[in-house]
Amino acid sequence: AQSVTQLGSHVSVSEGALVLLRCNYSSSVPPYLFWYVQYPNQGLQLLLKYTSAATLVKGINGFEAEFKKSETSFHLTKPSAHMSDAAEYFCAVQGGKLIFGQGTELSVKP
Amino acid sequence: DGGITQSPKYLFRKEGQNVTLSCEQNLNHDAMYWYRQDPGQGLRLIYYSQIVNDFQKGDIAEGYSVSREKKESFPLTVTSAQKNPTAFYLCASSPRLARRNTGELFFGEGSRLTVL
Repeated sequence: AQSVTQLGSHVSVSEGALVLLRCNYSSSVPPYLFWYVQYPNQGLQLLLKYTSAATLVKGINGFEAEFKKSETSFHLTKPSAHMSDAAEYFCAVQGGKLIFGQGTELSVKP
Repeated sequence: DGGITQSPKYLFRKEGQNVTLSCEQNLNHDAMYWYRQDPGQGLRLIYYSQIVNDFQKGDIAEGYSVSREKKESFPLTVTSAQKNPTAFYLCASSPRLARRNTGELFFGEGSRLTVL
């Protein structure tokens, strides 16, 4: 069965600092992996997805994620945080249905 | 613009009352989903539907019911049997439901239900 684990329910960074949100997956088949973002009281929006093409995936708003099979990881990064990046981020794996992690809330300090 | 519309955005209900949340999409998607979101628990699947007049239970279907009479519409009823209905409910759709599709879901803006 597929699953994802997001390490850290809350991450705080300063504006301009590196953003790193961690996601590890478990899958018995080559996975399709996703990162979604949710702003307060809104639905989820797709940031990026990995579907077995390039291992480094670029998404919207300057985010990217690297698929590392040896580490079963799909961490989300952004070189320089902006105040508008403050939101909740969800990692997900396609396993017959989309299975979501528990979410990581990102705070950005001025 | 194409998208998913959920209504109402906020809803208050007294204990013992049923309430229906609306979800409409104009994306011509076959598959539709309902998720429940609680703080710190991520998204949990309530029901999903692959085609008109067909739907399947998700992980937490007890106390909920759905219908899919039209391709565009997938309303969710939170019944009085749902013991803890206060939550944020999200409707989503995808072009199709397949085990190995790209899996991207398109979400509505959600409905927040509060039981008084």
